[in-house]
Amino acid sequence: GEDVEQSLFLSVREGDSSVINCTYTDSSSTYLYWYKQEPGAGLQLLTYIFSNMDMKQDQRLTVLLNKKDKHLSLRIADTQTGDSAIYFCAEREGSGKSTFGDGTTLTVKP
Amino acid sequence: SAVISQKPSRDICQRGTSLTIQCQVDSQVTMMFWYRQQPGQSLTLIATANQGSEATYESGFVIDKFPISRPNLTFSTLTVSNMSPEDSSIYLCSVSRLTGSNTGELFFGEGSRLTVL
Repeated sequence: GEDVEQSLFLSVREGDSSVINCTYTDSSSTYLYWYKQEPGAGLQLLTYIFSNMDMKQDQRLTVLLNKKDKHLSLRIADTQTGDSAIYFCAEREGSGKSTFGDGTTLTVKP
Repeated sequence: SAVISQKPSRDICQRGTSLTIQCQVDSQVTMMFWYRQQPGQSLTLIATANQGSEATYESGFVIDKFPISRPNLTFSTLTVSNMSPEDSSIYLCSVSRLTGSNTGELFFGEGSRLTVL
């Protein structure tokens, strides 16, 4: 089946930039997503990128897509303590199902 | 976006019992999914809930253990049958509604946290 991989942990200082990386295997993915999960809550969509794009910027968030290497990254500028959460990379298959990575736990230290 | 309500939000269950989780969406949706998130792990798709027909299960999940209903376009249930401690997990309902942009993102309920003793 399809596979999505992420590093498990990232720790940064408040005000620094955070970069969370993800690799995927399904070359036919049309959309790739970043979801955020805060403690005790469900997942919320942060942003997405269409597979024919290289970059998408949305306020403090920048998504970079390298389709050749099947590599996706999420950069959070000026990281705040409220950004502490688990971030999931996901790809959408043609069937409509999504495959999720294991999640990266971001810890922001004051 | 879609507003998804799940009940119960959490429960403590005895081994061997069954529990039904309900998922109610505030609008009609095309696809509904049930995921499991075990402690400290990612989301694993259990099945796609199909309106008016049997659910489509992923490898490793069977109807006898996880019967699913979807009587209409806004409601679904997942039953966890004959529970064991290994079923302790968060169960998440999610929906995909094809908007005009067809980006296919998933909307999630808050999850149902089950603990099996």
